[in-house]
Amino acid sequence: NAGVTQTPKFRILKIGQSMTLQCTQDMNHNYMYWYRQDPGMGLKLIYYSVGAGITDKGEVPNGYNVSRSTTEDFPLRLELAAPSQTSVYFCASSARGQRASYNEQFFGPGTRLTVL
Amino acid sequence: AQSVSQHNHHVILSEAASLELGCNYSYGGTVNLFWYVQYPGQHLQLLLKYFSGDPLVKGIKGFEAEFIKSKFSFNLRKPSVQWSDTAEYFCAVGGSQGNLIFGKGTKLSVKP
Repeated sequence: NAGVTQTPKFRILKIGQSMTLQCTQDMNHNYMYWYRQDPGMGLKLIYYSVGAGITDKGEVPNGYNVSRSTTEDFPLRLELAAPSQTSVYFCASSARGQRASYNEQFFGPGTRLTVL
Repeated sequence: AQSVSQHNHHVILSEAASLELGCNYSYGGTVNLFWYVQYPGQHLQLLLKYFSGDPLVKGIKGFEAEFIKSKFSFNLRKPSVQWSDTAEYFCAVGGSQGNLIFGKGTKLSVKP
């Protein structure tokens, strides 16, 4: 199992450009998440999905969009990049199970994005 | 809303010293608690987790954590740290959306 994979690893964007961060998992997990990590701030939830065709906003969704057409893939789209979106982005997934277990998440290696 | 507080921003220890990192959470009901570690340049990895049962939880690499419900705490401990433990440590509580709510993290630097 590759687990959770993300591409690209690094990217520099100019203000106003758009891009898609890719995330794929091969563990057949129903739940998938996008977080951003800023220095000294921990991780903040951007969007999440409980299954194919279902997505919902997290704590910091503004400026982002997601889609979930398959169980495996959960891309994150930045439409008009802004300097405030400079961050490290982590995708994660978890299995659908009993309440006690479904929070355990597996993380991808991250995408480091700089917007200039 | 649930929240997680980690008391120390940066901890510096010498090898073989004992470690305790503080974590407090705000939610008073049933909680799922986690400690994740992020080594330099790497993604987050699960150290240990608490769902129910024995409040003393043992994880990988000699780490353990104790859930104290009355104090809303889930502190991470290790009796003797190694240089390879240099990393950032995140405490997290399970959210109602299946997500994780993270603390701001504690950087641990271990001097050889």
